[in-house]
Amino acid sequence: AQSVTQLDSHVSVSEGTPVLLRCNYSSSYSPSLFWYVQHPNKGLQLLLKYTSAATLVKGINGFEAEFKKSETSFHLTKPSAHMSDAAEYFCVVSDDSGGSNYKLTFGKGTLLTVNP
Amino acid sequence: DGGITQSPKYLFRKEGQNVTLSCEQNLNHDAMYWYRQDPGQGLRLIYYSQIVNDFQKGDIAEGYSVSREKKESFPLTVTSAQKNPTAFYLCASSSWGSSYEQYFGPGTRLTVT
Repeated sequence: AQSVTQLDSHVSVSEGTPVLLRCNYSSSYSPSLFWYVQHPNKGLQLLLKYTSAATLVKGINGFEAEFKKSETSFHLTKPSAHMSDAAEYFCVVSDDSGGSNYKLTFGKGTLLTVNP
Repeated sequence: DGGITQSPKYLFRKEGQNVTLSCEQNLNHDAMYWYRQDPGQGLRLIYYSQIVNDFQKGDIAEGYSVSREKKESFPLTVTSAQKNPTAFYLCASSSWGSSYEQYFGPGTRLTVT
């Protein structure tokens, strides 16, 4: 069984300050991990993904995430927030479940607010 | 211009009516998915299809039906049996496999009164 826990439902930062969105996962197999962003009333856009290559993954718009197996974490960071980063962010885990099928599990989301 | 299209963006229906949501992709992806999104719930999988003429129930399939007659198309019907149909519906597609990301359409907001 796999699961995802996004530790904060809402994060508020000031423009120009660092962003940290926390995600812990549980997976029985070697997982793939993703971060998606969703702006209001829009579809989801992929920010970055981890698939067992480098543990520090760089994504679009200056975001990056580090896969830490010992801590079962995949936190999303950005050094300096921009007003356009205000959106909802989803951490997603996927594993092979040992066969040809696989399942994608979404976290409940973290709403990021950026204050001027 | 490759991508996934969903239509319409907003849909209003009376209780007791079936309604079909459209999803089309031109990414040549084998797999397609339907999700339901409610505030604070994240995304929940309704149905998915790995290949034409085959589809599987997701976590919340009751009250929904799908078809996959063409690779490009995966329409979702919300039936009158769905008890709480008002939601934001998202369609996605991907190559099949755990390391492949899903590409999402813009969504359809369904309101049933």
